[in-house]
Amino acid sequence: KQEVTQIPAALSVPEGENLVLNCSFTDSAIYNLQWFRQDPGKGLTSLLLIQSSQREQTSGRLNASLDKSSGRSTLYIAASQPGDSATYLCASYNTDKLIFGTGTRLQVFP
Amino acid sequence: GAGVSQSPSNKVTEKGKDVELRCDPISGHTALYWYRQRLGQGLEFLIYFQGNSAPDKSGLPSDRFSAERTGESVSTLTIQRTQQEDSAVYLCASEQGANEQYFGPGTRLTVT
Repeated sequence: KQEVTQIPAALSVPEGENLVLNCSFTDSAIYNLQWFRQDPGKGLTSLLLIQSSQREQTSGRLNASLDKSSGRSTLYIAASQPGDSATYLCASYNTDKLIFGTGTRLQVFP
Repeated sequence: GAGVSQSPSNKVTEKGKDVELRCDPISGHTALYWYRQRLGQGLEFLIYFQGNSAPDKSGLPSDRFSAERTGESVSTLTIQRTQQEDSAVYLCASEQGANEQYFGPGTRLTVT
């Protein structure tokens, strides 16, 4: 049974810092790995999707990497801004559903 | 284009009542998923539709929960005889190839 873990659970940083959020999973037989952002009281916004054959994806200040053999993915946020404050979720796509981690709650203060 | 929509956005109900939650997926998306997020916890998979069929309903927590999908479009999640532990945000997602899911804003259910 797939288990997805995210570290740290919470993070508070000053504006401008570069950040690394970690995600690990126990079953490497995944189709893809997806990173989401969740704002309070709102649904999920997809940030990046990495197919199982890919190593990384980039969108603006965000870069996500995937190492299936070690069961790890990282989300790198460059030059963080207060608007980046949210909960970040990673999810592995196994067979027919997403298995989610419990998230990293990020606060970026001015 | 229009994204995934869900209704109602909020629902408060008394313990023991039945509720219906609705999801309208992105037009043309053949796959539809329901997830649940209880306060302070991660998202839990409930059920998956491919077309109008549900090949995986392994996440439904009890027989009080059921879901259907019609016309390869709208889906309803029904919870009978609601209990306080059913209080959660219920999220719907749809997908069309590439295994990338698009989520709706969710329905916040509160059982009093």
